Amino acid sequence: IAGITQAPTSQILAAGRRMTLRCTQDMRHNAMYWYRQDLGLGLRLIHYSNTAGTTGKGEVPDGYSVSRANTDDFPLTLASAVPSQTSVYFCASSDVAGGVNEQFFGPGTRLTVL
Amino acid sequence: AQSVAQPEDQVNVAEGNPLTVKCTYSVSGNPYLFWYVQYPNRGLQFLLKYITGDNLVKGSYGFEAEFNKSQTSFHLKKPSALVSDSALYFCAVRDIGASNYQLIWGAGTKLIIKP
Repeated sequence: IAGITQAPTSQILAAGRRMTLRCTQDMRHNAMYWYRQDLGLGLRLIHYSNTAGTTGKGEVPDGYSVSRANTDDFPLTLASAVPSQTSVYFCASSDVAGGVNEQFFGPGTRLTVL
Repeated sequence: AQSVAQPEDQVNVAEGNPLTVKCTYSVSGNPYLFWYVQYPNRGLQFLLKYITGDNLVKGSYGFEAEFNKSQTSFHLKKPSALVSDSALYFCAVRDIGASNYQLIWGAGTKLIIKP
């Protein structure tokens, strides 16, 4: 089934460690997004990419970086994890940025930083 | 500033009764509006959207939503609730005229359907 895969499913990480969350889509969507979900705060956009080779900052980009070397992959890196980055992370994609169509979501990565 | 409000953290409905999950928005231009559902330990799934045209839009699983421009609302409704509708529901808006293409999300409403 076409869609978005994320890895790992969950991770416990010591503070100060580097971590990369992986995201791959097979729908040939141009736009991809990384969100974090925290209780009571809904979804907050971390970074986005409107097309391969370009990235942009969302609402809460500090402490995170992304790359978009190709259409399918959009990894999110925490250079030096802190406990406030404990959250559930969702990757999403849409066929074009700013279009009328919906975003498709991956199953999420639950990250705990101790 | 663009924003979305879901005024109820939780909505409780008896099975078979109609349900409403409220959403109001604020954008400077015209909106694209979306509803998503999230089941436990899952990603979000698209339910329905308003782009233009008929103010009443129908979506998956028997849900519908009514766009009300004067009240800047986009409430989600279903005539007869099922226990399986219990989930977390998110409203989102995009300002058509905004220079960025981002969705603005509500905080979510937990819907509990009791048998």
